[in-house]
Amino acid sequence: QSVLTQPPSVSGAPGQRVTISCTGSSSNIGAGYDVHWYQQLPGTAPKLLIYGNSNRPSGVPDRFSGSKSGTSASLAITGLQAEDEADYYCQSYDSSLSGLYVFGTGTKVTVL
Amino acid sequence: QVQLQESGPGLVKPSQTLSLTCTVSGGSISSGSYYWSWIRQPAGKGLEWIGRIYTSGSTNYNPSLKSRVTISVDTSKNQFSLKLSSVTAADTAVYYCARLGIVGATSIFDYWGQGTLVTVSS
Repeated sequence: QSVLTQPPSVSGAPGQRVTISCTGSSSNIGAGYDVHWYQQLPGTAPKLLIYGNSNRPSGVPDRFSGSKSGTSASLAITGLQAEDEADYYCQSYDSSLSGLYVFGTGTKVTVL
Repeated sequence: QVQLQESGPGLVKPSQTLSLTCTVSGGSISSGSYYWSWIRQPAGKGLEWIGRIYTSGSTNYNPSLKSRVTISVDTSKNQFSLKLSSVTAADTAVYYCARLGIVGATSIFDYWGQGTLVTVSS
């Protein structure tokens, strides 16, 4: 029962820029809680991609960037590469009965 | 480098209890200010947080599962465990264990196990 809404899919040609939105509410993103992003390659566990809205862990290419505004957040991938084809999930903290940690519905990125 | 590994039965009968263990290596489960969590993912669907435990034994659960979930920790074995009772087919999923690390004022799932598929079927 995801409380963060993402588009089911986005696609782009190699080298292009794509963005993924993550829409929440006043009990999670809108309440000021940080948004994190995870990349899940096919058949593997999710991997932390962006934390604290816009910070990249060591080893994550700077092609990936994040931002947050109001009740929404976005992940941008610039210079899209074939290895970026994966599922992406946003995640935040929720102060309502939805549970402490909530994930987005997930977005499949396809490289054309 | 911290590593997590899930283990447990891959098949559970309806109405029975699902039991999984996560073994942590590359560091003590008791060191640092970390919570240890369980997350699941039904096939083709999104991620659902199940619950977390601190090494003191303090727990928090997803309200939607709270009545059926128990998470425990065994620091002597560097393990933490999940029990989910009265399972149905809706509980069929890949179950992940993960470390919840504190970074500044936020907490992130920074290390994950590879996941284990649990199927509920008679």
